[in-house]
Amino acid sequence: GENVEQHPSTLSVQEGDSAVIKCTYSDSASNYFPWYKQELGKRPQLIIDIRSNVGEKKDQRIAVTLNKTAKHFSLHITETQPEDSAVYFCAARTMGSSGDKLTFGTGTRLAVRP
Amino acid sequence: SQTIHQWPATLVQPVGSPLSLECTVEGTSNPNLYWYRQAAGRGLQLLFYSVGIGQISSEVPQNLSASRPQDRQFILSSKKLLLSDSGFYLCAWRSPEGRNRYTFGSGTRLTVV
Repeated sequence: GENVEQHPSTLSVQEGDSAVIKCTYSDSASNYFPWYKQELGKRPQLIIDIRSNVGEKKDQRIAVTLNKTAKHFSLHITETQPEDSAVYFCAARTMGSSGDKLTFGTGTRLAVRP
Repeated sequence: SQTIHQWPATLVQPVGSPLSLECTVEGTSNPNLYWYRQAAGRGLQLLFYSVGIGQISSEVPQNLSASRPQDRQFILSSKKLLLSDSGFYLCAWRSPEGRNRYTFGSGTRLTVV
């Protein structure tokens, strides 16, 4: 089955700096890669996603890049703000035995220091 | 608009007691439905998913079961809870039409004592 690895597990940056979180996946058939932000005690919220036919996607301060050949994708947050502090999860969509499913990375706890 | 409901929000249950968590989706038909569990400070583990009524796929053999008695209803159950069943249980859905996006419910925080 699909295996998604995520690094780093924790990341601390100064406000205004950039943050980069990287993920690798194992199933070359994976075709959709979302990123979720989870604040303490809350549900994960989708912040950006990318499909396998696209190499890069940007939404204001957030961008995602995908390298299908190397099977890795990354989240880039620029001009970080304290409210960006949260746990971020990457995921990859694959086909299971009877339907599609998302496999998640282990998460990155981002702390933005004011 | 589509919405997903989960209840209860929190639950404290003794070891050996049964469990029933419910998830319903509104505003869509034939959604794909998913149950995930998140242990404290950990990632999201897929437990079950369903593409239609009565169709359940299990990802991890364990003390839990799932059922889908209606198109937009997904139930997670256990006959006898273990301490290791404690966690944050999240239901998610995806529309079968077009968009790939998976949306999570607000979750149930289960503590087994």
